[in-house]
This record gives sequence, C-alpha cells and structure tokens, in this order.
Amino acid sequence: NAGVTQTPKFRVLKTGQSMTLLCAQDMNHEYMYWYRQDPGMGLRLIHYSVGEGTTAKGEVPDGYNVSRLKKQNFLLGLESAAPSQTSVYFCASSSRNYNEQFFGPGTRLTVL
Amino acid sequence: AQTVTQSQPEMSVQEAETVTLSCTYDTSENNYYLFWYKQPPSRQMILVIRQEAYKQQNATENRFSVNFQKAAKSFSLKISDSQLGDTAMYFCAFMKQPAGGTSYGKLTFGQGTILTVHP
Repeated sequence: NAGVTQTPKFRVLKTGQSMTLLCAQDMNHEYMYWYRQDPGMGLRLIHYSVGEGTTAKGEVPDGYNVSRLKKQNFLLGLESAAPSQTSVYFCASSSRNYNEQFFGPGTRLTVL
Repeated sequence: AQTVTQSQPEMSVQEAETVTLSCTYDTSENNYYLFWYKQPPSRQMILVIRQEAYKQQNATENRFSVNFQKAAKSFSLKISDSQLGDTAMYFCAFMKQPAGGTSYGKLTFGQGTILTVHP
C-alpha cells in the first residue's frame, strides 16, 4: 500500500497563476483533509471532506477550493495564487474511527 | 475553540539521555484525544503516540511515554534513551471526540518543538 500520496512534491508559481494539488489514498478512508504548514506555526486545516461528493471549510479556507469526486482522491485548487499562499501543504486521511490521521509527504509551494 | 501551546521552540539532548517536551492545551471538552507527531527533515508527519482523555493510564510506545495531567491540561512527551534518529520537529495535537454522523476529527496543532539529539 502506498498510503497517502501527493502530487506534485514541489512547485513554483507566479502571482495570479492557478494550480491543483492532488491527494490520493489507497486505504479506503472516508475522511480526507488539507492542511498548510507555515514557519513557527503548526499545521492548520484548510478544507476537509467526510465522504465522496462532500466538502467543508476548515480554519483557513480563503483562496482555496476543493473537490472530492472519487473517494480516494481529494483535490486542492488555487485559482489565483498569492505570495501569502507560499507554504507546505499536507493531505491526510482517516477512517470513521477518526482518531488517527495518516499524512502524505507534503507539497512545497512557492508563489513569487 | 481549542488551543494547543508548546512553549519550547527548541530543545537539545545528548544521545542516550532522556528529554521531556512540554505541551499544554485549553478546552472545555471532556472527551478528546491528544497526540504527539514527529516531523523529521524528510517532512513526513509520523504519529508517535496518542492518549484518550478518558484513560487515566499514561500511554507508552517503546521509548516514548506521556505524562497526561487532565486537570492541569498538560500533555508532555518523554523520550528515553534518545537516538540520533529522534532529531525532528515534534508537534502536540488535540482532537475533540466527534459526536458521530457527519462529524469529523479536526486536529488542532501546537507550534512545534525542534528537538536535536547530539552524539
């Protein structure tokens, strides 16, 4: 099992460009999450999903959109990237018993 | 809202010695989970240990153990016989016990403590 994978691992964007981060899990988990990690701060929840076709806002959702068309995939989109979105992005998934989240390897995004 | 505070930005320890990382949290919930995650230079988030708030016994996982003080809202991590591979950022995290249905387990993280193990 690959667990949770993220694509791409690194990306550099110019202000105003758009991109999509892909998260995939092969553990048949119902719940999936997107976090961002900034220096001096812990991970903060951007959006999450409790099942296929459902998404909801987390702590810092502004400037991001998500979609979960298939149970195993959770996409994070930036429609118009801003320098404030420079960060490391982590995807995670968990089963219905909630109490352990499995994380992907992260994507380092730089917006110039 | 829950908050998690790690007051030690950096810690260091000699190989084979013991180190304790501190974490305090604030919540009005009675049922919740607490976690310690390790993030080595590879960036991968790895679960080290978890504690259910309803359990009085402190969790242990090999060289890792916690001191959970529910009344004081304190959750420290003790690493015994420190190894070079323990060098990492350590995050304390809180999760309110979901109420079921479409509830989910939102993790609230502390700021992290960078631990360096010296040979």
